[in-house]
Amino acid sequence: GENVEQHPSTLSVQEGDSAVIKCTYSDSASNYFPWYKQELGKRPQLIIDIRSNVGEKKDQRIAVTLNKTAKHFSLHITETQPEDSAVYFCAAFTDYKLSFGAGTTVTVRA
Amino acid sequence: ETGVTQTPRHLVMGMTNKKSLKCEQHLGHNAMYWYKQSAKKPLELMFVYSLEERVENNSVPSRFSPECPNSSHLFLHLHTLQPEDSALYLCASSQGQGWGNTIYFGEGSWLTVV
Repeated sequence: GENVEQHPSTLSVQEGDSAVIKCTYSDSASNYFPWYKQELGKRPQLIIDIRSNVGEKKDQRIAVTLNKTAKHFSLHITETQPEDSAVYFCAAFTDYKLSFGAGTTVTVRA
Repeated sequence: ETGVTQTPRHLVMGMTNKKSLKCEQHLGHNAMYWYKQSAKKPLELMFVYSLEERVENNSVPSRFSPECPNSSHLFLHLHTLQPEDSALYLCASSQGQGWGNTIYFGEGSWLTVV
């Protein structure tokens, strides 16, 4: 089955700086890569996704890049704000299943 | 947001108890899921139902028993659980089961087994 590795497990950034989270996947057949944000005590919510036929996607301060050859994809958050503090999960879709990374706890320092 | 609702939100049960978690989705979706979320671990897919048929059982112990009476409701029946089963159990739904279908999660049910 698919194996998704996510790094780092924790990330502390100064407000206004950028945050980058990286994920690797093992199954070259994976073709859809969503990112979820989970605030403390709340449900995971989709924040951005990318399909395998696209290399980069941006939505305001959030961007995701995909390198199919290297089998890795990354989440970039620019101009971080306190409300960006949360746990972020990457996922890879293959064989009718989503496999998740272990999550990155992002803390934005004021 | 009330797309996917779960009850109860918190549950404490003894190892010999029998309890059930309930999930309801109001999004008109055809696929529903149970995930287990433990600290510092990836979300673990437990069960998948598509059009009320179970299509995935991810090697989950038989002490967890799912039930999907219709496309809007999903249950997880619990019996003779172990302390290591304590976790957040997330229900989710999606329009279909194919790639690109966004999965919407409920708020989760916090389960503590004592």
